[in-house]
Amino acid sequence: AQSVTQPDIHITVSEGASLELRCNYSYGATPYLFWYVQSPGQGLQLLLKYFSGDTLVQGIKGFEAEFKRSQSSFNLRKPSVHWSDAAEYFCAVGAPASGTYKYIFGTGTRLKVLA
Amino acid sequence: DTEVTQTPKHLVMGMTNKKSLKCEQHMGHRAMYWYKQKAKKPPELMFVYSYEKLSINESVPSRFSPECPNSSLLNLHLHALQPEDSALYLCASSQGTGQQGYEQFFGPGTRLTVL
Repeated sequence: AQSVTQPDIHITVSEGASLELRCNYSYGATPYLFWYVQSPGQGLQLLLKYFSGDTLVQGIKGFEAEFKRSQSSFNLRKPSVHWSDAAEYFCAVGAPASGTYKYIFGTGTRLKVLA
Repeated sequence: DTEVTQTPKHLVMGMTNKKSLKCEQHMGHRAMYWYKQKAKKPPELMFVYSYEKLSINESVPSRFSPECPNSSLLNLHLHALQPEDSALYLCASSQGTGQQGYEQFFGPGTRLTVL
C-alpha cells in the first residue's frame, strides 16, 4: 500500500541549530516527492520537490532535501533554523489516480524553535 | 499569476444554512482540488476536478456539493452541515498533465465554523 510516514510528531530546536525532519515513503513506482510548510491557519507552501535527477534538492528559505531510494526516505534539512521556521511540515508523495493525480500526505511534524 | 485565491477567508454558518466557498486560479491549470483539514492533521482530499469533470469523490457526504463552472473556478456548496464539519477548507490546483501535473498549488483556505 502507498503511504508516507513522518516519525516525529513534534521537534524542538534552538534558533541557529541545524534541523532534520524525517520522511519515509512506501510507493511501488518512482516517487514524486514534495515538502510543504504550513503556518497556523494558512495554506500550504511548497518548500521543494523531487521528480528525478540530482538526489539533493534545494528549496526555498534555505531548505534542502535528499532522496535516498535505498532507504525510501526524503529527509528535509536546514543548517541554521530561524524563529520564523516554526510551523507544521508535511511530506507528500504524488500518485496517479482516476486519470489525474493526488497526494498521499504524511501526518506532519510540528516544529518549535526556541529563542 | 501563481496564486490560488479563496473566498471568504472566514465563514460562520448555522446547521440549516446554505453557503458556498469559492476558489479561483489563473495559472491555466486543468486540475482543481478541495481538501478538508482539521487542527493538527494533514489535509484530507475531498474532490478532484480534471478538465472540469469530477474525477475523484472521496466518499464525501452529499451535504458537500462541488461545482466547476469553468477551468479557473471551483465552488463548494454547503448545506445542512454538522458542527464536526468545522475545519479549514483548502483549495489547490495543478497543471493536470505530465510530470508537472503532480505539483499542487494551495490557496490560503477558508476557516469554516458550523454552529
